Amino acid sequence: AQSVTQLDSQVPVFEEAPVELRCNYSSSVSVYLFWYVQYPNQGLQLLLKYLSGSTLVKGINGFEAEFNKSQTSFHLRKPSVHISDTAEYFCAVSEYGGGSNYKLTFGKGTLLTVNP
Amino acid sequence: DAGITQSPRHKVTETGTPVTLRCHQTENHRYMYWYRQDPGHGLRLIHYSYGVKDTDKGEVSDGYSVSRSKTEDFLLTLESATSSQTSVYFCAISGGDLDGAQYFGPGTRLLVL
Repeated sequence: AQSVTQLDSQVPVFEEAPVELRCNYSSSVSVYLFWYVQYPNQGLQLLLKYLSGSTLVKGINGFEAEFNKSQTSFHLRKPSVHISDTAEYFCAVSEYGGGSNYKLTFGKGTLLTVNP
Repeated sequence: DAGITQSPRHKVTETGTPVTLRCHQTENHRYMYWYRQDPGHGLRLIHYSYGVKDTDKGEVSDGYSVSRSKTEDFLLTLESATSSQTSVYFCAISGGDLDGAQYFGPGTRLLVL
């Protein structure tokens, strides 16, 4: 079975500061990795995904994440945050290929609050 | 945005009544999923479908059933609603190998009194 741990439940930062949201996973097989963002009272929006290839993945809104297989991590970063980045961020993992029916296992989320 | 709608968007019901939530997609994707979201628990998979009439249980399936008679529609039924089923319910779709990701609907907020 796979699991996802988001190491911080809340991350407060000031506007224009850099931010890193940490995600570790465990799995006995190869995985796909995802970050989703949820703004208040909305559904989840895909930020970025790692399926294969380059370990540095760029997503929407200036976010990027790096897949580290040896550390089983997929941390999300942004060099300079805006007030509008205030949201909850979810890391998710699925088993590689179709055998899992592309089911996702989610972390419990990290609330990013950007203060002026 | 992926073409996914959920209905109703909000519902208040009483304990013991059956409730059906509908998810409709216009993407012709094979895979569809129902999740519930509760504070402190993230998203948890209730049931999923890997084709018409092909469904299976997720991690929190007790008290829920699903049906998928057409590619575009995936119904979630609470057979006899309980207060513990008060939650926000999200539907998601996936094209599978097309890009490996799931895409989410706007959610249904359900309150069971």
